[in-house]
Amino acid sequence: DAGVIQSPRHEVTEMGQEVTLRCKPISGHNSLFWYRQTMMRGLELLIYFNNNVPIDDSGMPEDRFSAKMPNASFSTLKIQPSEPRDSAVYFCASSLSQTQYFGPGTRLLVL
Amino acid sequence: AQSVAQPEDQVNVAEGNPLTVKCTYSVSGNPYLFWYVQYPNRGLQFLLKYITGDNLVKGSYGFEAEFNKSQTSFHLKKPSALVSDSALYFCAVTPDNYGQNFVFGPGTRLSVLP
Repeated sequence: DAGVIQSPRHEVTEMGQEVTLRCKPISGHNSLFWYRQTMMRGLELLIYFNNNVPIDDSGMPEDRFSAKMPNASFSTLKIQPSEPRDSAVYFCASSLSQTQYFGPGTRLLVL
Repeated sequence: AQSVAQPEDQVNVAEGNPLTVKCTYSVSGNPYLFWYVQYPNRGLQFLLKYITGDNLVKGSYGFEAEFNKSQTSFHLKKPSALVSDSALYFCAVTPDNYGQNFVFGPGTRLSVLP
């Protein structure tokens, strides 16, 4: 299995632009999680899905952030418009039971 | 609500010496406990977990962790540290069999000195 796949691995954009991060979970996993990691705040859960349905989005910082999971093998996290304070590493993880498996992350820099 | 504390931001240990990275937790009900490791510019990598049974859990790369219910602790240990073990270590807890209410600790940076 290829593990959790995220794209792009790096993204540099200008303030105000739309950013879309993509995730392909491990095949057969039914839960998907989006995290953000920064030096200041550590690892934060943004949102998670179970069977493609958003269960808890209380970690989403504000309305500029949105996430979708149109099917069991694909999810997106969108930031529109992006701001410099959104610069972070964004991780996707998936699970079938208790253990979460993480992707390599997308390093986002908003100038 | 559950929480995880990792009381040490940084742990330094000499190569070949035993290492311990501490974790304490608070959760209602029976906890599921995890350790993850993060190498520079990489995602979190699963090391080991405690679900039930034997309090000493063995995981990847020679790591083990001991669950202590009375002290609500789940410390990560290794008998002989390697320089390549230098990384950021995260403890996590969930009260949930489906792994959906994960709470991660702030992380502990382990430096193994040659």
